[in-house]
Amino acid sequence: EILLTQSPATLSLSPGERVTLYCRASQSVRSSLAWYQQKAGQAPRLLIYDASNRATGIPARFSGSGSGTDFTLSISSLEPEDFAVYYCQQRGDWPLTFGGGSKVEI
Amino acid sequence: QEHLQESGPGLVKPSETLSLTCNVSGVSIRSYYWNWIRQSPGKGLEWIGYIYFSGSTKYNPSLESRVTISVDMSKNQFSLKLGSVTAADTAVYYCARGGYGASSLFHPWGQGTPVTVSS
Repeated sequence: EILLTQSPATLSLSPGERVTLYCRASQSVRSSLAWYQQKAGQAPRLLIYDASNRATGIPARFSGSGSGTDFTLSISSLEPEDFAVYYCQQRGDWPLTFGGGSKVEI
Repeated sequence: QEHLQESGPGLVKPSETLSLTCNVSGVSIRSYYWNWIRQSPGKGLEWIGYIYFSGSTKYNPSLESRVTISVDMSKNQFSLKLGSVTAADTAVYYCARGGYGASSLFHPWGQGTPVTVSS
């Protein structure tokens, strides 16, 4: 199965800062990568699909890029509600797999 | 508004079968893929499998021998059965629709239901 490695594991930032999170796949997933946001006590929420497409209702400050094995999720200017854990998920091959998560904390 | 809600026992004994149901409201269960996903501190997020409204299924090979996902269109719900459970199956279990016409994008999700395997 495809292993997804996310970095950094934890990032401490302030509101207004820019953040870039990374996801590396153990083999190519083409552009078949999604990003999810999970806040404490809540289910994950789809942010980005197919590497760079924002899901419905997701603010423009979230953007994704990459293809093959290396992907990034960027938040241009952190809002207080953006402090959460972010997961990548590949759908380039079965079984579907998730990364271990990156926590963005204040 | 679309809403998914998991239900089922929060405590299951080792070697028994875990049974959960996802009730779907606000959208017909027809014409979509429906997934089960679980999350535990030890293994993180793990995709369990999906069912299409027609009844076709696909499971994670790591769980395939113990998993059955079924759909009940008359009740607009789908279900998960996981047999021969152990403590390693303790997790929060989520149901999620296959979003954007795909089986493999999860959108939206239910709120999740915690299941503990213990005697």
